[in-house]
Amino acid sequence: GAGVSQSPSNKVTEKGKDVELRCDPISGHTALYWYRQSLGQGLEFLIYFQGNSAPDKSGLPSDRFSAERTGGSVSTLTIQRTQQEDSAVYLCASSPGFYTGELFFGEGSRLTVL
Amino acid sequence: DAKTTQPTSMDCAEGRAANLPCNHSTISGNEYVYWYRQIHSQGPQYIIHGLKNNETNEMASLIITEDRKSSTLILPHATLRDTAVYYCIVRSATDSWGKLQFGAGTQVVVTP
Repeated sequence: GAGVSQSPSNKVTEKGKDVELRCDPISGHTALYWYRQSLGQGLEFLIYFQGNSAPDKSGLPSDRFSAERTGGSVSTLTIQRTQQEDSAVYLCASSPGFYTGELFFGEGSRLTVL
Repeated sequence: DAKTTQPTSMDCAEGRAANLPCNHSTISGNEYVYWYRQIHSQGPQYIIHGLKNNETNEMASLIITEDRKSSTLILPHATLRDTAVYYCIVRSATDSWGKLQFGAGTQVVVTP
């Protein structure tokens, strides 16, 4: 596709379950970012990938959160033992290189933890 | 790190220019100003960025004061589709380039 693709668009899960969120960046984009946006809150940086490595994981809220990227393309954000406070929209963005703040965001994955 | 201050909300008449102010009085010399917007239920969209000089693209113009302590985003002919939250961001020179600190932004409502 032409843009950043995220799946699922909506996910409802029970507290304590694990969830995986997927991001397909724009083809050829080497940098990939995960952000989250809680209800009524601003966007919060989580992690950044350059290629398959993650030089900056400083925004991950706890060790229940992890992310990986394979083949320099698709990325998966995994949340283990979900809590209600994890409920948010998780946004993925990509950019063609490292030295730019021009990010292309996807539509997000809305996670609801019951 | 430099922070920004924006009005919480503003209205604009369709067809008129929308001037969105942003204060960033503690900005450092090598920190860029970025503008994004977020239409309801969508991901943020990049608009424009600048360092010192004024910038213009197909979406908007960015006017940065000479002392760089404030800037204005100008939407030349606002349409109803421009209704969104607009974020003014100062990108920290010590952070990863795409690690952007979004604040609360300005809710812009364009009215017919």
